[in-house]
Parts: sequence; C-alpha cells; structure tokens
Amino acid sequence: DAKTTQPPSMDCAEGRAANLPCNHSTISGNEYVYWYRQIHSQGPQYIIHGLKNNETNEMASLIITEDRKSSTLILPHATLRDTAVYYCIVRVAHKAAGNKLTFGGGTRVLVKP
Amino acid sequence: NAGVTQTPKFRVLKTGQSMTLLCAQDMNHEYMYWYRQDPGMGLRLIHYSVGEGTTAKGEVPDGYNVSRLKKQNFLLGLESAAPSQTSVYFCASSSTRTGTKDEQYFGPGTRLTVT
Repeated sequence: DAKTTQPPSMDCAEGRAANLPCNHSTISGNEYVYWYRQIHSQGPQYIIHGLKNNETNEMASLIITEDRKSSTLILPHATLRDTAVYYCIVRVAHKAAGNKLTFGGGTRVLVKP
Repeated sequence: NAGVTQTPKFRVLKTGQSMTLLCAQDMNHEYMYWYRQDPGMGLRLIHYSVGEGTTAKGEVPDGYNVSRLKKQNFLLGLESAAPSQTSVYFCASSSTRTGTKDEQYFGPGTRLTVT
C-alpha cells in the first residue's frame, strides 16, 4: 500500500472548517484513500473514503486532487468533540487482500474554543 | 448490537507469564484483526483473519499467536510476555459484503502492562 504524509499537528477554531491535508504521491490506480480518526484512548473510527471523486457524508468531505497524489479531509464546522488524531490511509480495496490498514502517525487536531 | 468487544480492558503481567485476549463481534463480519498501539504512534497490525479457521501474519507478529475457531471470536495469545509487549491492543472487524464501505470497526482496546 502507498505511503502517506500528514502534518503532525494542527489547531483549528471551534465552529470553523478544519482542512486536513494528506500527500500520497505514490498511490496506484486501484488504491482508495481512507480517513479514520482516534479520539483519545478509544479505538479508531471510520470517517470517509474515496477513489477519485470527491465524497461527502454526515461527518466530513473528502477532496481528492485530479492526479490523486493528495487529498484533503474537511470537517465543515469543527466542534470540541472533533479533537482527535486523524489518519489518512491508502489501501487496495480488494477483498482478497483482507481490507488491511497501515496506520502512519496521523495528524493530531486540537479544536480550540 | 454491541459491535466489537474486548476482554479484559486492563491487565498487568509479569515477564514470562502468558495470557489470552478475547475479541468478539456480533456483526457477522468475515474479517478480524489485532493491532497494537504504542504511545504516540499509530496502530500496527499483528495478525488478521479472513475467515473462520484462517489466520495470517501482519506487520509485527513475533511473540503472538492467534486463533479463529468461531466466526465471531478472534483470540490473541502471548505465550511468554515481555516488557516490549506493553501496549494498547485493539481488535477490529470488517465485512466483505458487496456494497459495504469495507471499513473496519474497532473495539475499545485492552491496556496491557508487562513488568
């Protein structure tokens, strides 16, 4: 699976949009971009994923560049409960591969009042 | 629907002791996983299973064994615990059903300390 690069930490203001970047310049055509987050001491939680089109759900939006070498996770209105470590993961969405995830260091997001 | 549960939540072992961590899921998922997370780091895959009776090695399998005798359970064993195995252990499961997001569902974790 392709390696990802994320900033180690970032702050954002409560109520404002949080834009979390991720670089995955070696991504292959059959690899998806997944985002998970881990709130302190809890197990990671799935947020969103995409292949090449932008995606939106009730938690966030995912913007993937046309060349697929980078993406941005957008939390539209950050709340204090969004304080967490956010992981960008690239993986092959082939069920025979076991749906395995490779976690990097992630971005530690602190939402401030 | 409890999702993924882990037993125990906390454990302290002495070096050389053995123990088994139990993971259970009630979502009828085919795939199950064991990860460990050391302070300040991301999760690392220890072993995983793509179905009942099957297991495979992940990134850091040494010192651990696993078994998947029933679809809903995935056991992680430490035969002779070492201080380097002090960590938080997370279990996860995911579905292979068509139309799902292939996301993994994680348990609450087991905090293990080996002295």
